[in-house]
Amino acid sequence: QKEVEQNSGPLSVPEGAIASLNCTYSDRGSQSFFWYRQYSGKSPELIMSIYSNGDKEDGRFTAQLNKASQYVSLLIRDSQPSDSATYLCAVMEYGNKLVFGAGTILRVKS
Amino acid sequence: EAQVTQNPRYLITVTGKKLTVTCSQNMNHEYMSWYRQDPGLGLRQIYYSMNVEVTDKGDVPEGYKVSRKEKRNFPLILESPSPNQTSLYFCASSLRTSGSVTGELFFGEGSRLTVL
Repeated sequence: QKEVEQNSGPLSVPEGAIASLNCTYSDRGSQSFFWYRQYSGKSPELIMSIYSNGDKEDGRFTAQLNKASQYVSLLIRDSQPSDSATYLCAVMEYGNKLVFGAGTILRVKS
Repeated sequence: EAQVTQNPRYLITVTGKKLTVTCSQNMNHEYMSWYRQDPGLGLRQIYYSMNVEVTDKGDVPEGYKVSRKEKRNFPLILESPSPNQTSLYFCASSLRTSGSVTGELFFGEGSRLTVL
């Protein structure tokens, strides 16, 4: 079983700061990478997808991918209390299998 | 509104009493999947379906059955539930492009199951 690793947290940041969430994966054949946000008691929702090395920005969110290091990250700029949630990293492994990490809890303190 | 609908949302049952959790999507997605979510373990795939009448096991299929007779529906069946199946269950669907799953999943609201 290939793995997707995330620090469980909680990661606590003050309002307005940059939150940095990290994820490593073991399958070198992986080509697609995703970040899902899950509020407490709710279902996961897709917030970012990234397919090639480098940065991808969408509003306050930036996904970063480094396939050589097998590393994916999510940066949240100007963090807001409403960003407090669990962030799930997901990796599409070779063979069309989507594997989720256990998630990182983010707490943004006002 | 595009959505994945699961029922029931909450269920308490007893060991051995068969139950079915329904899942329906209105987005004409070919791919559907069931996950269970347990603290510290994240989302684990139970079964998935690439299309009508095509289903396959995920990582934790033991004790579960599925069927895909229609494109929109993908029910999860627990023939003889046991306490270790107490969990939060999510159904999800996705488009397929060029035969591959996109990885961009739409999730249902979840079904919290307790087996006593």
